[in-house]
Amino acid sequence: GAVVSQHPSWVICKSGTSVKIECRSLDFQATTMFWYRQFPKQSLMLMATSNEGSKATYEQGVEKDKFLINHASLTLSTLTVTSAHPEDSSFYICSAGIYEQYFGPGTRLTVT
Amino acid sequence: TQLLEQSPQFLSIQEGENLTVYCNSSSVFSSLQWYRQEPGEGPVLLVTVVTGGEVKKLKRLTFQFGDARKDSSLHITAAQPGDTGLYLCAESSGNTGKLIFGQGTTLQVKP
Repeated sequence: GAVVSQHPSWVICKSGTSVKIECRSLDFQATTMFWYRQFPKQSLMLMATSNEGSKATYEQGVEKDKFLINHASLTLSTLTVTSAHPEDSSFYICSAGIYEQYFGPGTRLTVT
Repeated sequence: TQLLEQSPQFLSIQEGENLTVYCNSSSVFSSLQWYRQEPGEGPVLLVTVVTGGEVKKLKRLTFQFGDARKDSSLHITAAQPGDTGLYLCAESSGNTGKLIFGQGTTLQVKP
């Protein structure tokens, strides 16, 4: 099956700093990717749809100026958490695919 | 907005027992997917059901899609510790690939 990777797998940053998370489709091209957030013992919540060559589409309640998404190529989407706060600590997961979504392994973000 | 309700949210059973997880919607599913997620990893697709009344089997897992396509169930026979994980149902929103997930069912199978 198709493979989606994420980098880094975990990151710790200080409050007020920004952190970038990468999502790559390794063996297929993806014009659309999705970013999800998952808090401990909870389900995945869709944050935004990343569109190659155009602006991302954000779900209701997700601050687009705080969670910057850039889909620079057909195999790479990045999520930048700006001015991170402890409440942004979470597990961030991306997915890509058309008929079937393939999920990345996730990135654990801890903001201290 | 489609709302997916899963039950139960937590389940702790002994090895060898059977269990059923339910996923219900306020409206008709176009199609429904079941995923399994282990801690620290992304979800992995188990099955997609599309047709009302459909039944699919994956080894000891049996998936059913309600006739009206508003509910689905996952039944595990003779659960094993390796079945431990978070089970998620999800509906695809249109043809975009966007998924809306249920709350999830955390399953713990004790040896």
